[in-house]
Amino acid sequence: QKEVEQNSGPLSVPEGAIASLNCTYSDRVSQSFFWYRQYSGKSPELIMSIYSNGDKEDGRFTAQLNKASQYVSLLIRDSQPSDSATYLCAVKAWGYSTLTFGKGTMLLVSP
Amino acid sequence: EAQVTQNPRYLITVTGKKLTVTCSQNMNHEYMSWYRQDPGLGLRQIYYSMNVEVTDKGDVPEGYKVSRKEKRNFPLILESPSPNQTSLYFCASSAGTAAAEAFFGQGTRLTVV
Repeated sequence: QKEVEQNSGPLSVPEGAIASLNCTYSDRVSQSFFWYRQYSGKSPELIMSIYSNGDKEDGRFTAQLNKASQYVSLLIRDSQPSDSATYLCAVKAWGYSTLTFGKGTMLLVSP
Repeated sequence: EAQVTQNPRYLITVTGKKLTVTCSQNMNHEYMSWYRQDPGLGLRQIYYSMNVEVTDKGDVPEGYKVSRKEKRNFPLILESPSPNQTSLYFCASSAGTAAAEAFFGQGTRLTVV
């Protein structure tokens, strides 16, 4: 049974700060990693995907993957109040189509 | 526009009255799935489908049925809804490859009284 673990939060950061969201996974064959943002009552939307070790940057977002440690993180630079949402980590193994989601981390960015 | 469309968005029903939540995608995706989301429990997969006429149980399939007669549609059927099926439901589709992201529908908030 694949497991994806995230701190439920809330993670509170002031506006302009860096928010760091973490995720660990149990299945070593997990190969694709996704970060989704979900506003309350809305559907998840993809913000980052990462497939190889290292960092991947897209605007204010950076995803970091360390397969040896089974760890993936999301950094949000210059956090804005509009970034306040729940962030879901999801993993997928090669040869499988099913995404396994963590329970999400709530991020609160205060003005 | 690429999208996954669920209907209805909101539904209040009574215990035991059969209902269907529809899901349709216009991206020609092979893979479709249904999730329910409850506070503190995250997204839990109900059923998924790898292609037409191919469906399988997810983590919480009890009380639900699905069918995949056409590639674009994947309805979720509750034959005899109970109050513990009150939840927020999401349909999702993806291209089916390991690298493919999932696209989500707008969600259906179901209340069973």
